[in-house]
Amino acid sequence: SAVISQKPSRDICQRGTSLTIQCQVDSQVTMMFWYRQQPGQSLTLIATANQGSEATYESGFVIDKFPISRPNLTFSTLTVSNMSPEDSSIYLCSVVRSLYRNTEAFFGQGTRLTVV
Amino acid sequence: AQTVTQSQPEMSVQEAETVTLSCTYDTSENNYYLFWYKQPPSRQMILVIRQEAYKQQNATENRFSVNFQKAAKSFSLKISDSQLGDTAMYFCAFMKPDGSARQLTFGSGTQLTVLP
Repeated sequence: SAVISQKPSRDICQRGTSLTIQCQVDSQVTMMFWYRQQPGQSLTLIATANQGSEATYESGFVIDKFPISRPNLTFSTLTVSNMSPEDSSIYLCSVVRSLYRNTEAFFGQGTRLTVV
Repeated sequence: AQTVTQSQPEMSVQEAETVTLSCTYDTSENNYYLFWYKQPPSRQMILVIRQEAYKQQNATENRFSVNFQKAAKSFSLKISDSQLGDTAMYFCAFMKPDGSARQLTFGSGTQLTVLP
């Protein structure tokens, strides 16, 4: 299994400000994934963060709005920039591990962001 | 691109009864992973069961089992002897086995309520 510590667990922010979400994994991983879960919706991939290279963003998400850092193999941050109420969502980080051909995605506890 | 469809937004079941959640997917891949994750109100994503596409045998985990029909691209989850703690949002998810594309594609989710 993998333990991912994600923080903050929740925050209420003013529009126009930025929030940085942190994820710490208990062991080294090549890729970390960031997902957004809008209220009552499913999870949508924002970007894939690789250590030592720029993150790969999915369609509809841009680096200026969601800058990502990946300084080492156990840590990543996602910043939600210039926030608006539409950014109110749960944000989750995730890693994938394979052990004896058993593959599983592990998730952080999620950050519930409310923009007012 | 892969798509995952869950056609049941909400379901309910009496405690101790059996319930089946439906999931269909579309892909041109021959090998892949399928998952069911549950998300209780705590927001934590919890793996319920996984299935490798190359395995013909349906996966089982205690009270949870799947009916995997590869030709029909169907992956339903059966919960036997439902318990109150099974109340959660359930997501069906698809993953390619490729090391560079290990992100999950999620269905829209099914909210399951177990009634006492």
